[in-house]
Amino acid sequence: AQSVAQPEDQVNVAEGNPLTVKCTYSVSGNPYLFWYVQYPNRGLQFLLKYITGDNLVKGSYGFEAEFNKSQTSFHLKKPSALVSDSALYFCAVRDWGDDKIIFGKGTRLHILP
Amino acid sequence: DTAVSQTPKYLVTQMGNDKSIKCEQNLGHDTMYWYKQDSKKFLKIMFSYNNKELIINETVPNRFSPKSPDKAHLNLHINSLELGDSAVYFCASNPRPGGGKLFFGSGTQLSVL
Repeated sequence: AQSVAQPEDQVNVAEGNPLTVKCTYSVSGNPYLFWYVQYPNRGLQFLLKYITGDNLVKGSYGFEAEFNKSQTSFHLKKPSALVSDSALYFCAVRDWGDDKIIFGKGTRLHILP
Repeated sequence: DTAVSQTPKYLVTQMGNDKSIKCEQNLGHDTMYWYKQDSKKFLKIMFSYNNKELIINETVPNRFSPKSPDKAHLNLHINSLELGDSAVYFCASNPRPGGGKLFFGSGTQLSVL
């Protein structure tokens, strides 16, 4: 069965600095990987996905993620953080041939002005 | 127009009661889901329907019964509510099973007293 881990409960970054939110995964086949963001009292919003191809995936709001097969990681990155990026970020995975999309426990990103 | 809408937004009820949450999507998607987010923000899949047919049924107590009258609607009925059912319940839709780009509703916060 597939699983996904987000090792950090919270990440604090100063505005303007680069940010990274970590995610590692475990699947039996080829992974489909996703990042979602949740603002307070809202549903999750899709940011980006990796299916196949280029290991660096670009998504919404200037975010990107790097797929690393050898390290089974899919870290979310942004070159310059904004205060408005403060939110809860979820990594998710789907195994090839499986319909279930499994979410990590979430990482709260706090951007300091 | 809201793409995925849930009602009610808040639901406060006593233990032992029966309640329903409704979900409708106007995106023309074939697949709909129910997810449960607990107080620690952990998001767990409960059910998935594809074109009115149940395709994912996780280890959820049988007090929870989803119903899909058509592919645009997926309702969740909960019998004999317990304190542990308190959570935020999210409906989501997807153009196809496992497609990955889920569209979430804004959630129903259920509080069982």
